[in-house]
Amino acid sequence: DTGVSQDPRHKITKRGQNVTFRCDPISEHNRLYWYRQTLGQGPEFLTYFQNEAQLEKSRLLSDRFSAERPKGSFSTLEIQRTEQGDSAMYLCASSLGIARHYGYTFGSGTRLTVV
Amino acid sequence: EDKVVQSPLSLVVHEGDTVTLNCSYEVTNFRSLLWYKQEKKAPTFLFMLTSSGIEKKSGRLSSILDKKELSSILNITATQTGDSAIYLCAVADQTGANNLFFGTGTRLTVIP
Repeated sequence: DTGVSQDPRHKITKRGQNVTFRCDPISEHNRLYWYRQTLGQGPEFLTYFQNEAQLEKSRLLSDRFSAERPKGSFSTLEIQRTEQGDSAMYLCASSLGIARHYGYTFGSGTRLTVV
Repeated sequence: EDKVVQSPLSLVVHEGDTVTLNCSYEVTNFRSLLWYKQEKKAPTFLFMLTSSGIEKKSGRLSSILDKKELSSILNITATQTGDSAIYLCAVADQTGANNLFFGTGTRLTVIP
């Protein structure tokens, strides 16, 4: 499978717990993005990596959220002290070049439910 | 703030009908507009438009950008049940930011 893969596909957690999601981008793509999508809304940008450097962060990314891409390959997104408002689909995307020129390839997402 | 508005929010048609989905945008320093199809999970790329008035076509789907009107349309002819999905419009600007601004999508349902 040469697409963007995300793990897990679904996660149910209790409020206050920490969760971590993983994204494996297409291997030759050096740009990686995290988006959040709530029901009835389009994806909202969270953060962007070029190789291992985190170059952009949305104000949506509160201090409970942290993302890493340690070796410029896979990335993790951690949410600490989860709240019910964090329930959403978390989408990862990657691109070979600048997104506005090439668009993204999205993964299937991780659906988080906080109970 | 940059904004992308899609209409209608939802649409139900019969197989064989032709549909037109609309996307309008307010983006500083517009660079490109993209259309994605989202079925159950991952949005899949359909078109990228950068030049006004040039139609892009893929099978029964086509799209065109009007920079004067700050809008784009996505046409689907001879719809099939497999076209049922959410169609997302996104725009990118020239500022160097690498994120895309997405609209809320149009939910299309094609009934047999």
